Amino acid sequence: KAGVTQTPRYLIKTRGQQVTLSCSPISGHRSVSWYQQTPGQGLQFLFEYFSETQRNKGNFPGRFSGRQFSNSRSEMNVSTLELGDSALYLCATRLRTGGGDTQYFGPGTRLTVL
Amino acid sequence: GENVEQHPSTLSVQEGDSAVIKCTYSDSASNYFPWYKQELGKRPQLIIDIRSNVGEKKDQRIAVTLNKTAKHFSLHITETQPEDSAVYFCAAESSTLGRLYFGRGTQLTVWP
Repeated sequence: KAGVTQTPRYLIKTRGQQVTLSCSPISGHRSVSWYQQTPGQGLQFLFEYFSETQRNKGNFPGRFSGRQFSNSRSEMNVSTLELGDSALYLCATRLRTGGGDTQYFGPGTRLTVL
Repeated sequence: GENVEQHPSTLSVQEGDSAVIKCTYSDSASNYFPWYKQELGKRPQLIIDIRSNVGEKKDQRIAVTLNKTAKHFSLHITETQPEDSAVYFCAAESSTLGRLYFGRGTQLTVWP
């Protein structure tokens, strides 16, 4: 099976712009989670989608949003970009929410905000 | 919600020594505990996991122990090698909340 893919892999934006990142899960996986990773901050949970519904949400401002499509692909959007949004954005997918299923990570999208 | 604490944040060992990373969790409903390894510039990858009905699990040089009463679990790496150098993350999945909660990570450096 193909692994989790994310596009684009690298992105440079300026403050105030918006950005959309995409995540394609492993075939059959219906749960997609998004994380922000910055040096020294570990994996900060953004949100999790399952069957097109947001099931969990982390403590990020409303500028961060996401959605999931019927084919389980997911997108996350960040509006009004700030310098502090520069980070590696990782998505991770698994068969279902909860249940102890292994979560597989994508390669990430490196976002730089200038 | 769940709170996962991970210690130490950095760990340096000599090649061949053992390394131990410890995590505690707060939600007694948590029942799945994976460990991820993230090498520099790469994605986190699962190295071992344990479920709440098991106290210990081993895979070659890696082992994980779980103490449900004390709400803590640990990763043990024996006979460390330089290629074990990476950031290790523990996580706990709450059965009530249905999501994974990650620790802040441990930077392990193995010196040759």
